[in-house]
Amino acid sequence: DAGITQSPRHKVTETGTPVTLRCHQTENHRYMYWYRQDPGHGLRLIHYSYGVKDTDKGEVSDGYSVSRSKTEDFLLTLESATSSQTSVYFCAIRAGSTSYEQYFGPGTRLTVT
Amino acid sequence: DQQVKQNSPSLSVQEGRISILNCDYTNSMFDYFLWYKKYPAEGPTFLISISSIKDKNEDGRFTVFLNKSAKHLSLHIVPSQPGDSAVYFCAASPLKAAGNKLTFGGGTRVLVKP
Repeated sequence: DAGITQSPRHKVTETGTPVTLRCHQTENHRYMYWYRQDPGHGLRLIHYSYGVKDTDKGEVSDGYSVSRSKTEDFLLTLESATSSQTSVYFCAIRAGSTSYEQYFGPGTRLTVT
Repeated sequence: DQQVKQNSPSLSVQEGRISILNCDYTNSMFDYFLWYKKYPAEGPTFLISISSIKDKNEDGRFTVFLNKSAKHLSLHIVPSQPGDSAVYFCAASPLKAAGNKLTFGGGTRVLVKP
């Protein structure tokens, strides 16, 4: 258990509304990641963070922004949700400076109607 | 263009037999490879990894083989158990690139029949 929680676990929202998903970790890991999982695509990286206020884009970053004002929290915001952003979102942490494995949270299922 | 591919979307195997999952990659910069297992409504869990300096890594019932010249890796599960029924993802990373970003395959659903 990597001490990762995600909130909310489920959310239904309407097209055009802003949505923020939260990832919280308890073990002071430097690297945090947001992925989305869609059928046939596996998991795709949206954004990642390598420290407080240090973030960078991933493979599918359009329509998403992130913020990390504290080590333990990494927020993913959909500025104006679209139906194509209906997905399951996973947060992950990298276990340490000499370890390359990533450990995942339980996920947030987001439906945009 | 998918840089990591799992060409078998599903696999059915009898309990006690071997499960072999395959994964191909195209990016020659990838030098670290991982396998994850995912149950429904849960996050992926890390299973086993391998660095490109090795061609085999074992952990209990799980063995990963890497063939760099073919850009191919496989996961062997022996013996398969009903609890192994899940979706398995392979992932790859270029260690020297910033961020340790993982690129995932599309997944293989494994069903182990009792």
